[in-house]
Amino acid sequence: GAGVSQSPSNKVTEKGKDVELRCDPISGHTALYWYRQSLGQGLEFLIYFQGNSAPDKSGLPSDRFSAERTGGSVSTLTIQRTQQEDSAVYLCASSPQTGKGREQYFGPGTRLTVT
Amino acid sequence: SQKIEQNSEALNIQEGKTATLTCNYTNYSPAYLQWYRQDPGRGPVFLLLIRENEKEKRKERLKVTFDTTLKQSLFHITASQPADSATYLCALLNDYKLSFGAGTTVTVRA
Repeated sequence: GAGVSQSPSNKVTEKGKDVELRCDPISGHTALYWYRQSLGQGLEFLIYFQGNSAPDKSGLPSDRFSAERTGGSVSTLTIQRTQQEDSAVYLCASSPQTGKGREQYFGPGTRLTVT
Repeated sequence: SQKIEQNSEALNIQEGKTATLTCNYTNYSPAYLQWYRQDPGRGPVFLLLIRENEKEKRKERLKVTFDTTLKQSLFHITASQPADSATYLCALLNDYKLSFGAGTTVTVRA
């Protein structure tokens, strides 16, 4: 079946602009996660959704970052007033349910470049 | 502070040999430890999971050990092949949250 998809695959934006990144999880997966991967760095947790609610937003770097999920499916990560340090690959993952050692299924990521 | 450290930035080995990767952690008490593979330009792909009460897990040519006393996991790729060349990520799981190491890049020479 279809895996996790993300769009766009690449995004170049000017400093100060807002961007929206989209994630389509695997159908039926209730848990959804956003991570950020900077060059040569490990994946950094941003936010977790269970259904449409986000019990853990602790990883969001600043109030310029927000995310929502609708219909228990598609999620959007929005970065307002982008800064150069926001340049990274943003990865989305989904999982059938939380906890119990469930593996996460990752999308290909969106490479964001802020000029 | 919490840390997850994976050994050496890169590992170069000859085809057919065994690659051994190390994952050490501090100030975590993970219920599970997972290993993922990441190819350039792609998202990580799940390989193996081991629980805190398990010592060893195998899947085909892969073997993972988990020592909660040493706070260490070892990841072995036996009879390595050029197709095994990738970055391997260690991740600690508590409840829903995965915390990742920076990864070890493995290159298998034919």
